[in-house]
Amino acid sequence: GAVVSQHPSWVICKSGTSVKIECRSLDFQATTMFWYRQFPKQSLMLMATSNEGSKATYEQGVEKDKFLINHASLTLSTLTVTSAHPEDSSFYICSVQQGADGGYTFGSGTRLTVV
Amino acid sequence: SQKIEQNSEALNIQEGKTATLTCNYTNYSPAYLQWYRQDPGRGPVFLLLIRENEKEKRKERLKVTFDTTLKQSLFHITASQPADSATYLCAPDGGYQKVTFGTGTKLQVIP
Repeated sequence: GAVVSQHPSWVICKSGTSVKIECRSLDFQATTMFWYRQFPKQSLMLMATSNEGSKATYEQGVEKDKFLINHASLTLSTLTVTSAHPEDSSFYICSVQQGADGGYTFGSGTRLTVV
Repeated sequence: SQKIEQNSEALNIQEGKTATLTCNYTNYSPAYLQWYRQDPGRGPVFLLLIRENEKEKRKERLKVTFDTTLKQSLFHITASQPADSATYLCAPDGGYQKVTFGTGTKLQVIP
């Protein structure tokens, strides 16, 4: 099945700075990748759908200017949290769809802490 | 609005017993439903997918049922082991390739 690598696994940044998270599909060409956010003891919430070579599709309530997504190749999507604030502290996870019966493969996640 | 409910925040069960987890959904008509396992600080891991025309699906010690009339899926782990301790997430098809997740049920298998 697909293998998804996410980097970094954790990051601490100062309020007002930007942080970039990478999601790589190691053995699978992904035209579409998905970005989720998970707060403690809450469900994973879909933030946006990343489309290779075109603009990302954001879910309602997600600020596209704050969460910049770039999907420049079939194996790499990046999420940049711009002007981060403490309330952006969360667990960010990317995923790709393996196939009709394969479900979705998730990265190991990135724990972002904004201080 | 669409809603996914998973039974209780935590389920404790004795090793060797069968664990049964429930997923109820409202305002959905999913073509399929998935179950995932999530360990603390990790991304979810895909376990099983069941389609609307399938009533039951099995994989090793796992069994999933899907009742579209009741709008419910049951997830069973037979002969449970301490290594099965994790949070299990139900994910009905949200359409447009979107996967939407329940809050999960935390399973603790006691030796």
